[in-house]
Amino acid sequence: DQQVKQNSPSLSVQEGRISILNCDYTNSMFDYFLWYKKYPAEGPTFLISISSIKDKNEDGRFTVFLNKSAKHLSLHIVPSQPGDSAVYFCAASARSSGSARQLTFGSGTQLTVLP
Amino acid sequence: DSGVTQTPKHLITATGQRVTLRCSPRSGDLSVYWYQQSLDQGLQFLIQYYNGEERAKGNILERFSAQQFPDLHSELNLSSLELGDSALYFCASSRDGGSIGETQYFGPGTRLLVL
Repeated sequence: DQQVKQNSPSLSVQEGRISILNCDYTNSMFDYFLWYKKYPAEGPTFLISISSIKDKNEDGRFTVFLNKSAKHLSLHIVPSQPGDSAVYFCAASARSSGSARQLTFGSGTQLTVLP
Repeated sequence: DSGVTQTPKHLITATGQRVTLRCSPRSGDLSVYWYQQSLDQGLQFLIQYYNGEERAKGNILERFSAQQFPDLHSELNLSSLELGDSALYFCASSRDGGSIGETQYFGPGTRLLVL
């Protein structure tokens, strides 16, 4: 049972336009959400996060929106640049056992920004 | 550079063999996590250690084991290897592994190929 879903395996956008990556989750216990970017042959790199008490968090060209009632979050990249081409993973955090917290990842979306 | 190091980068072995993957966390981080990423899949959480103690377990097979040493580096042992164990194995670290809002920082991964 996939608790975090990224339904679009790939997305292509033109340089300068907006990229919108989507993520849905099912577990109501998730209270913190993160986006990671991954280039080939590298580990995932933290990009931006949002707490469940907020509905928007912005960092430069990157904005994450959270809709708790719909259990949906999205990452907006404006303007998109060719260097943004990578796999983007959505991750959700919840307390797992005792004092531990666990990240659950989506399957990723390959973003290609065309020059 | 996340500050998390993993060795080796690549590993090729045969079915039935045993291998050890090594991870050194970022300076000051007490928690280490292991993840497996199979082809076209998201990252699957395997196990978490905090300051030498196992803190949380995910989808880790009984043939796999891990430990965290006093100097906080961690090793993931994979035994009786099967073809399906071929994957990327990532290590991540964080400050304490239990705080909301905490970010996990990932190493570059070890690519394991079982022939």
